[in-house]
Amino acid sequence: SQQGEEDPQALSIQEGENATMNCSYKTSINNLQWYRQNSGRGLVHLILIRSNEREKHSGRLRVTLDTSKKSSSLLITASRAADTASYFCATGGPGGATNKLIFGTGTLLAVQP
Amino acid sequence: SQTIHQWPATLVQPVGSPLSLECTVEGTSNPNLYWYRQAAGRGLQLLFYSVGIGQISSEVPQNLSASRPQDRQFILSSKKLLLSDSGFYLCAWNEDRDEKLFFGSGTQLSVL
Repeated sequence: SQQGEEDPQALSIQEGENATMNCSYKTSINNLQWYRQNSGRGLVHLILIRSNEREKHSGRLRVTLDTSKKSSSLLITASRAADTASYFCATGGPGGATNKLIFGTGTLLAVQP
Repeated sequence: SQTIHQWPATLVQPVGSPLSLECTVEGTSNPNLYWYRQAAGRGLQLLFYSVGIGQISSEVPQNLSASRPQDRQFILSSKKLLLSDSGFYLCAWNEDRDEKLFFGSGTQLSVL
């Protein structure tokens, strides 16, 4: 079964605006990751935040994690048309040497030029 | 640097035909390897993962099987495809000390 649920399912914004996507999960995690997928392509890792972290930045990306609410958000600032893609959160469970991420259903972001 | 190759990019197969999708990783040793399936507009479902040659773990019962004949080669197979096997198949890898996954470009399989 899927762990993460992204919200909204689809988001359309204008270039230059900020885009915020949310992810909720159900069980304890070791880390939470965000991935991006262009249409018909593989996923690309964007950022990882550990369960003991609350916020992380990478370029125009800002990720927050609230373990008490079992939720995370991904903020893309000053969006560009090239940011158009699907964005997935994935949760990594505690323990285990083999990584078995559980992916959510994704948010489809469309950035209008 | 490490790279992952997955082929073919697109495949159309009749129901009941066999399947073989191949994935290879370069530039690393003893990677963890994964096969995911993505239904249209949905998230990823883990099908198989492998921590070493000949070691395969299946996550869901299905019509598919996986094999790892060499350290950096991962193969997804089926003896007889079903309509429900249609989807986007993704191979991925990582190293034990790294939690993030690196994905191939995917194979769009249509079973008709």
